[in-house]
Amino acid sequence: SAVISQKPSRDICQRGTSLTIQCQVDSQVTMMFWYRQQPGQSLTLIATANQGSEATYESGFVIDKFPISRPNLTFSTLTVSNMSPEDSSIYLCSAWAGAGGYTFGSGTRLTVV
Amino acid sequence: TQLLEQSPQFLSIQEGENLTVYCNSSSVFSSLQWYRQEPGEGPVLLVTVVTGGEVKKLKRLTFQFGDARKDSSLHITAAQPGDTGLYLCAGAGAGSYQLTFGKGTKLSVIP
Repeated sequence: SAVISQKPSRDICQRGTSLTIQCQVDSQVTMMFWYRQQPGQSLTLIATANQGSEATYESGFVIDKFPISRPNLTFSTLTVSNMSPEDSSIYLCSAWAGAGGYTFGSGTRLTVV
Repeated sequence: TQLLEQSPQFLSIQEGENLTVYCNSSSVFSSLQWYRQEPGEGPVLLVTVVTGGEVKKLKRLTFQFGDARKDSSLHITAAQPGDTGLYLCAGAGAGSYQLTFGKGTKLSVIP
């Protein structure tokens, strides 16, 4: 199955700033997704990153706050914009590679102070 | 919106005991997956079940998909401290690549 390298693994950011999280997949994948997870809790889907078009956002998430790029079939970024303490969470990317199933990055633990 | 109810939310057991985690929904899923996640890591896929009534075994772990493909269970026999972690079920609807996750079961196996 595909392997995802996600970075940074953690960051502490000042409120009002932005952070861009990167995910690099070691093979071309059809679909990529971005999730948010509170420690020890379940995953909430933020958006589906579409190659060559705008991301598809879930209810409660908007492009201005979470802009996503997917320039090719192996790479995607999520930016958390104008951060506030409420954005403190773990952010995960995921890829679906067909028969290879779903793979997840190791997550980015974000703390906003 | 498809929902997956996962229970129990927390489970603390002694080494050697058996346990079962459940995922239930009123919706039909084309496939259901079970993941295990450790702190600081992303979820790691344990198994995917796609056929109603399917049973899969992975060493001491037994996974079952309900006949109607609305529910699933994970049974662990003779739990070991290394089984400690967050267990997540996730379902995919027909024609969808998006996963709906259960709330997770935090398992602690005490030596």
